[in-house]
Amino acid sequence: DAGVTQSPTHLIKTRGQQVTLRCSPKSGHDTVSWYQQALGQGPQFIFQYYEEEERQRGNFPDRFSGHQFPNYSSELNVNALLLGDSALYLCASSSDRGRSEKLFFGSGTQLSVL
Amino acid sequence: GQSLEQPSEVTAVEGAIVQMNCTYQTSGFYGLSWYQQHDGGAPTFLSYNALDGLEETGRFSSFLSRSDSYGYLLLQELQMKDSASYFCAALDTDKLIFGTGTRLQVFP
Repeated sequence: DAGVTQSPTHLIKTRGQQVTLRCSPKSGHDTVSWYQQALGQGPQFIFQYYEEEERQRGNFPDRFSGHQFPNYSSELNVNALLLGDSALYLCASSSDRGRSEKLFFGSGTQLSVL
Repeated sequence: GQSLEQPSEVTAVEGAIVQMNCTYQTSGFYGLSWYQQHDGGAPTFLSYNALDGLEETGRFSSFLSRSDSYGYLLLQELQMKDSASYFCAALDTDKLIFGTGTRLQVFP
């Protein structure tokens, strides 16, 4: 039973570029949440996808967008990258009929913006 | 606004007991979760309190007081492998809002 998988594991971009991060949820899960974690900080909620729609959104600009596919996998897109976007991006999955307080996280994508 | 405050660092020795506190302020609150994250690893779920009181899972216990907007995680019989960051997270209408995290260092 595969857990949450994310790709790529590491990524280096330059300011102004665009990036797409990918996530496959744990088998049986239909809800995907994305978090940004700066070094030494707690994960910050970006948004949550369920039934291919953005259900909830945190305090992030419109440069951050996402998508969920019919197989429940998800993408996070960030446009016009800034130096401050450098962080670990975590994907977490849960079952909408299950417990939202128990998220299963992937190992993350480490994004460096130069 | 939403915020969860935790002490930045706690140190302890093997075999000891350590308590990590969390105070929260959220617009909607359903309960408090705790997660462990080793350096370079993914956060992993430890426990959840929906109601006031103590929840015990092996060496880990978690406590919640809704009236005080306060919770804590208690680790007993500390082991070296418990060295990690610990985050409290408030369940706010189906999304988890994470705290600032406490880094626990366990010494032999």
